[in-house]
Amino acid sequence: GENVEQHPSTLSVQEGDSAVIKCTYSDSASNYFPWYKQELGKGPQLIIDIRSNVGEKKDQRIAVTLNKTAKHFSLHITETQPEDSAVYFCAASTSNFNKFYFGSGTKLNVKP
Amino acid sequence: NAGVTQTPKFRILKIGQSMTLQCTQDMNHNYMYWYRQDPGMGLKLIYYSVGAGITDKGEVPNGYNVSRSTTEDFPLRLELAAPSQTSVYFCASSLETNYEQYFGPGTRLTVT
Repeated sequence: GENVEQHPSTLSVQEGDSAVIKCTYSDSASNYFPWYKQELGKGPQLIIDIRSNVGEKKDQRIAVTLNKTAKHFSLHITETQPEDSAVYFCAASTSNFNKFYFGSGTKLNVKP
Repeated sequence: NAGVTQTPKFRILKIGQSMTLQCTQDMNHNYMYWYRQDPGMGLKLIYYSVGAGITDKGEVPNGYNVSRSTTEDFPLRLELAAPSQTSVYFCASSLETNYEQYFGPGTRLTVT
């Protein structure tokens, strides 16, 4: 099955700085790559996703890039704010198997 | 719309006991999923369903069973609970495969 690796496991930035979280995947058939944000005591919530026919997608301060050749994708958060502090998960899936494979998570701490 | 609801929120089981975790969604989603999240780890898929009457195994199905008699409900059954099943369990649903998954608030289960 798919193997998704996520780095770093923890990330601490100053408010206003940028944060980058990187994921790699192993299955070249994967074609959907969502990012989820999980706040303490809650279920994950989708913040942005990208499909394999697109190289980059942006939504206000959040962007995701995908490199299919290298099999990696990244989450970029600009102008970070304290409310961005949470655990972020990347995931990969294929349309054939209805299965999502999640990375191990990155705990982002934005210091005011 | 309540979204995805899960009960109970917390539960302590003794080794060998059984229980059912309830999950209900009111979004008329075809796809439903059960994940477990161990401390500091990502989510691992236990079982999923693509519609009423259809279920399939995920990455870590051993020790669990599911059923899907209606579109709305997707209960997860633990038989003969073991300490290795101590985890936080999340139910999720999506309209289609490779689309946003909506997560419930989770059930924190401890087996002692």
